[in-house]
Amino acid sequence: DIQMTQSPSSLSAAVGDRVTITCRASQAISNSLAWYQEKPGKAPKLLIYGASTLQSGVPSRFSGGGSGTDFTLTISSLQPEDVANYYCQKYDNSPFTFGPGTKVEIK
Amino acid sequence: QVQLVESGGGVVQPGKSLRLSCLASGFTFNHYPIHWVRQAPGKGLEWLAVMTYDAKKNFYADSVKGRFTISRDLSKSTLFLQMNSLTPQDSALYYCATVDTSVWSRPFHYWGQGTLVTVSS
Repeated sequence: DIQMTQSPSSLSAAVGDRVTITCRASQAISNSLAWYQEKPGKAPKLLIYGASTLQSGVPSRFSGGGSGTDFTLTISSLQPEDVANYYCQKYDNSPFTFGPGTKVEIK
Repeated sequence: QVQLVESGGGVVQPGKSLRLSCLASGFTFNHYPIHWVRQAPGKGLEWLAVMTYDAKKNFYADSVKGRFTISRDLSKSTLFLQMNSLTPQDSALYYCATVDTSVWSRPFHYWGQGTLVTVSS
């Protein structure tokens, strides 16, 4: 099975900073890569799919990139409401594996 | 609008069974694959299982294969997750989630709020 890794596992940045999270697949998954935001007490929220397509209603400060095995999620200007856990996921086929997550905090 | 509501969680002893339900509304139930995902306390998201839209195939994560079974009742627009031989490591918030088309390889656009399972003696 394809394994998903993320880095860093956690980060702390100031409001307004540019933040980048990396996701790596152990084998190529084309662009079948999604990013989710998870906040305590709430269901995960789809942010980006197809590696770079912004889900409707998601602020434009979020962007995604990459293909094959290496992907990124970037928050161009970190806001207090972006404090959350972020997960990448492959969805090309079963198993629909999630990455281990990245915790984003405000410095 | 698409809505998923999980139920059936609770406290269960190790080795026992539990059946979770996911009531779907706002979309044609048998046109979309529906997944189960869980999150253990303080841990990340773990994909568990999926039923294809036509119910012809089910797929499972290795961690639950042979113990968990996914099924559905079309007349009730409800998906089930039968969980057997439960261990404390199965304690988690269990979500059902679905996609935006009948296509197999799609991200999870819609999620329920989850139902909590605690396995403890």
